[in-house]
Amino acid sequence: KQEVTQIPAALSVPEGENLVLNCSFTDSAIYNLQWFRQDPGKGLTSLLLIQSSQREQTSGRLNASLDKSSGRSTLYIAASQPGDSATYLCAPSNTGTASKLTFGTGTRLQVTL
Amino acid sequence: NAGVTQTPKFQVLKTGQSMTLQCAQDMNHEYMSWYRQDPGMGLRLIHYSVGAGITDQGEVPNGYNVSRSTTEDFPLRLLSAAPSQTSVYFCASSNLGTQYFGPGTRLLVL
Repeated sequence: KQEVTQIPAALSVPEGENLVLNCSFTDSAIYNLQWFRQDPGKGLTSLLLIQSSQREQTSGRLNASLDKSSGRSTLYIAASQPGDSATYLCAPSNTGTASKLTFGTGTRLQVTL
Repeated sequence: NAGVTQTPKFQVLKTGQSMTLQCAQDMNHEYMSWYRQDPGMGLRLIHYSVGAGITDQGEVPNGYNVSRSTTEDFPLRLLSAAPSQTSVYFCASSNLGTQYFGPGTRLLVL
C-alpha cells in the first residue's frame, strides 16, 4: 500500500524567501505525481503534474522534481509571497491505478510580510 | 467550462438518514473519484470510476454507494448516515493527466 509523507508539516517564512517542500512515498511504481494547493475551506488546485518518466516540471515560480527510484519529490517555491500561504499536498498515483491518488497530510505554509 | 461541480455545499443529517452527494463534470473525463478529507488524515479514496457503467472501491468504501450511468455524473450515496461520516467530501475527474477537484461538500452527521 502506498504511503506518502510530507515534511515539514508546517512552515512559516518571511516574504521573498525561497523554500523547499518535501514529499516521500513508499511505492516507487508510480504513474505520475501531482502537487496541489489547498486554501482554507476550499477545494484542491493542481499546481504541477510530473509523469513518471520526467525529472522535473516548472510553472512560473514553482519547480517540482521527481526521483522515482528513491521515492522522493520536492516542490521549490521561489521568491515566496503572502499569496502563497496555503496547504500544499503531494499525491502520487500508482501504475495500473492511475486514476487513484494517494495523499500526504500536507505542508501548511505561511508567508509573512 | 464549469469544471467539476458539487452539490450541496453544506448538509446536516441525523444519524440513519440517507442522502446523495452530487458531482458533475463537463470536461468529458473518463475517470471520476470521490475522496473524503478528515483533519490530520489527508484525503482518502472512497470510490472511483474508469468510465460510464464501471465503478470500483477505494480505501474507505463502507457505508457509501456509487453509480455512473453517464460520463458527466458520479453521485455518492450515503445509505444510513453515521457520525463517523462527518467529513468534507471532494469529487475529482481526469483523463489520466491532471486531476481536477470540485469545491467540496461539508457534511455534518448528528
